[in-house]
Amino acid sequence: QKEVEQNSGPLSVPEGAIASLNCTYSDRVSQSFFWYRQYSGKSPELIMSIYSNGDKEDGRFTAQLNKASQYVSLLIRDSQPSDSATYLCAVGSGYSSASKIIFGSGTRLSIRP
Amino acid sequence: EPEVTQTPSHQVTQMGQEVILRCVPISNHLYFYWYRQILGQKVEFLVSFYNNEISEKSEIFDDQFSVERPDGSNFTLKIRSTKLEDSAMYFCASSEERTAQETQYFGPGTRLLVL
Repeated sequence: QKEVEQNSGPLSVPEGAIASLNCTYSDRVSQSFFWYRQYSGKSPELIMSIYSNGDKEDGRFTAQLNKASQYVSLLIRDSQPSDSATYLCAVGSGYSSASKIIFGSGTRLSIRP
Repeated sequence: EPEVTQTPSHQVTQMGQEVILRCVPISNHLYFYWYRQILGQKVEFLVSFYNNEISEKSEIFDDQFSVERPDGSNFTLKIRSTKLEDSAMYFCASSEERTAQETQYFGPGTRLLVL
């Protein structure tokens, strides 16, 4: 059973600080990794995708991937109250024809003013 | 910006009734997916679809479920005889290419409530 594990939180971070979200996955052959943001009652919204080891930056967001450790993280710099949401780590299977995504249960992030 | 759309946004039905959830994927996308999220739980893969046939389905996607692309724009999920446990948010997603690195874009979802 392929698993994606996240700390459910809540993670409380003061406004302007860095929020750090972590994720581990069990399928060693996974090829694609995503961070989605989900507001309550809404659909997942893509924040970042990453496919190679190392860091990928996009604005205030940085995704980090370490395939050897099967670990993905997301850093949010200069956290804003609007960043308060559940962050879903998701992993693409990569070797099957279906390219389904397996989601973690999400980390609730709360930015306190 | 192109987006996936879904109708209806909410659907209430009686147990045992058939429901059809509709999706319009992004126009140049070729791969389509259905996911569901039971309240408070993970987003779960149901089925993927390409070239008018199912590519992969999960254990959840049993004989009560079917998918169809009835025309050039719509992608539907039918639940033949709904159960109480089918109550969930159903998300349609689409992607441009069926590769491991292709991003799936999600629609706003249909909230299904089975009474």
